[in-house]
Amino acid sequence: NAGVTQTPKFQVLKTGQSMTLQCAQDMNHNSMYWYRQDPGMGLRLIYYSASEGTTDKGEVPNGYNVSRLNKREFSLRLESAAPSQTSVYFCASSDSQGFLFGYTFGSGTRLTVV
Amino acid sequence: KQEVTQIPAALSVPEGENLVLNCSFTDSAIYNLQWFRQDPGKGLTSLLLIQSSQREQTSGRLNASLDKSSGRSTLYIAASQPGDSATYLCAVRMDSSYKLIFGSGTRLLVRP
Repeated sequence: NAGVTQTPKFQVLKTGQSMTLQCAQDMNHNSMYWYRQDPGMGLRLIYYSASEGTTDKGEVPNGYNVSRLNKREFSLRLESAAPSQTSVYFCASSDSQGFLFGYTFGSGTRLTVV
Repeated sequence: KQEVTQIPAALSVPEGENLVLNCSFTDSAIYNLQWFRQDPGKGLTSLLLIQSSQREQTSGRLNASLDKSSGRSTLYIAASQPGDSATYLCAVRMDSSYKLIFGSGTRLLVRP
C-alpha cells in the first residue's frame, strides 16, 4: 500500500547510545517531516525537509539531526540519546508543503531511553 | 503564536448518536485545516482536509466545517459506531509556515 513507512516500530536505548530512525514514502511527495508525540504536549515538529536537498529546524530540534537522503527517504538521528527523548516519533510527508492533499503520517516509532 | 484548542478533551456517547467535535484556533491566517484520527498505539489517519477558501468537506458519515473568521472548525459524526472510538485531532497549517499545529485531541468512546 502506498504511504509512509517507518522503521523500527519499537526501540529501547540506553542513555548515550545513538540510533537512526528511518522513513520512506512512495507518494512522490516533495516535503517530509519528523514529529514527536508526548502525553500532554501533543505533536511537535522536530525537523522538516521542504524538498530534496533542504532541511530546516522545527520547534524542538535539539539533540537530533536529519538527512534527506533522496526524494523518498528522510532519516532522524539521535547522536546521544537522553531519557527526555523517550517519545513516539512520527514521520510525515506532503505534496508541495501540504497545499492540496494535506499530510500523510507513518505508523510511528516508539522509543524508550533508559 | 497560533494555538489550537479542542473541546471536549473526552467524550462518551451511546452508539447511534450524532456528535460534534470542536476545534478552535487563535490566528485566522491559516492555509488549511486537517482532521485526523488516531487509534491507541497507532499512527494518524487523515480524515478530511479543508482549504481556507472552503466552508466544509464531507466523507461518508463525516462532515467538517470551517469558519475561518471566527477561528472554528467542527467535525460532525453521524450515526456513531463503536468503531469510531479513537482520538480525533485537528491541525492547522499556517500561510507562512510548513508545519502543522495540532490541538491536543478529543478522545471519543462510542458505547455499544
